[in-house]
Amino acid sequence: DVKVTQSSRYLVKRTGEKVFLECVQDMDHENMFWYRQDPGLGLRLIYFSYDVKMKEKGDIPEGYSVSREKKERFSLILESASTNQTSMYLCASRFPGSGANVLTFGAGSRLTVL
Amino acid sequence: AQSVTQPDIHITVSEGASLELRCNYSYGATPYLFWYVQSPGQGLQLLLKYFSGDTLVQGNKGFEAEFKRSQSSFNLRKPSVHWSDAAEYFCAVHYNQGGKLIFGQGTELSVKP
Repeated sequence: DVKVTQSSRYLVKRTGEKVFLECVQDMDHENMFWYRQDPGLGLRLIYFSYDVKMKEKGDIPEGYSVSREKKERFSLILESASTNQTSMYLCASRFPGSGANVLTFGAGSRLTVL
Repeated sequence: AQSVTQPDIHITVSEGASLELRCNYSYGATPYLFWYVQSPGQGLQLLLKYFSGDTLVQGNKGFEAEFKRSQSSFNLRKPSVHWSDAAEYFCAVHYNQGGKLIFGQGTELSVKP
């Protein structure tokens, strides 16, 4: 089975800190995604990457950046964390084959910004 | 804009009762349709998906969903709910291969003993 691993399950940071959320997948998937999950809002796409060194803005990219230097790793960066970025962050990957493309998700990283 | 609506934020059912979770999508073309489930403390896992063909789709753990083009709906059903089904359920769509997956707001399911 594909595994998507988010190294930090729980983080507490202070306003203004730089935050790195790491995601690693082990099945050579080309596409990777970062979502933010908030109660009543579902999942909203922050950034995605179709392949190494490629990135595309999702629906809510403001305040975030990403890095994809290696195929297996997709990092989400909060340059200067703010309290409104307190949320659950979910990473996902997929292989862009034929048919509907199923995402495989990590367990999530719950970030609290004080 | 493309959107997915799950009108019920929270549903409570008794164990053994039937369940239907509603999902409607906005776009006219037939999308690829999914239901994901998220148990507490875990990531999302795929329950079932619809690409084309038979509009009644069977999924994991006894769940099924029916695509109704005329109603732009993809409702999730289970004839008899188990306590372990308590979780949050997300409907999602995308409209072309490699397209972005758009999620609904989620429905939290509680199961009464």
